[in-house]
Amino acid sequence: NAGVMQNPRHLVRRRGQEARLRCSPMKGHSHVYWYRQLPEEGLKFMVYLQKENIIDESGMPKERFSAEFPKEGPSILRIQQVVRGDSAAYFCASSLNGQTDTEAFFGQGTRLTVV
Amino acid sequence: KNQVEQSPQSLIILEGKNCTLQCNYTVSPFSNLRWYKQDTGRGPVSLTIMTFSENTKSNGRYTATLDADTKQSSLHITASQLSDSASYICVVSGTGGFKTIFGAGTRLFVKA
Repeated sequence: NAGVMQNPRHLVRRRGQEARLRCSPMKGHSHVYWYRQLPEEGLKFMVYLQKENIIDESGMPKERFSAEFPKEGPSILRIQQVVRGDSAAYFCASSLNGQTDTEAFFGQGTRLTVV
Repeated sequence: KNQVEQSPQSLIILEGKNCTLQCNYTVSPFSNLRWYKQDTGRGPVSLTIMTFSENTKSNGRYTATLDADTKQSSLHITASQLSDSASYICVVSGTGGFKTIFGAGTRLFVKA
């Protein structure tokens, strides 16, 4: 049973381009969470999705950021018109259900660099 | 405001020594508290989870304690190894919907 898979591991984008980050949850997991980690800082919650639904997007910037988790395929975090401040590590986690006492397993992250 | 504060921010110890990391939280109502280990460039990995009724949980050389009355937790690492060098993150979850707060982490350096 493969763990949470994120790709790409490293992504370089020029200012104004779009970044698409992918997350394949663990087999059987239908709940996905996205986090952002700035250098030397802790993880910050962005969005929580269940298959085809956004449950909580309170941590997501209102503009340029969007997330989806379609019925088939990986979850996608999309950042449009990237700016230097978007440079960070983006982590995805998945869990079996949405209960807070259910362990969420993290992927290795995607390191986005905006030049 | 729900917060999780960790101390110290960073710590350097010699291989073989013990150390204790602290976590204070204000998340309410409380559901559970986890400690994660995050190696550089990797995703966090869960070490322990404790609910309201538990006050200690061990995982090998890692022992976590929880005082739900004072809203404090600690992670004690015994006989440290070089591979313990990592960030240790305290994560607190509340009840009633999705409410999970991550601490900023303690960066531990174990030196030979």
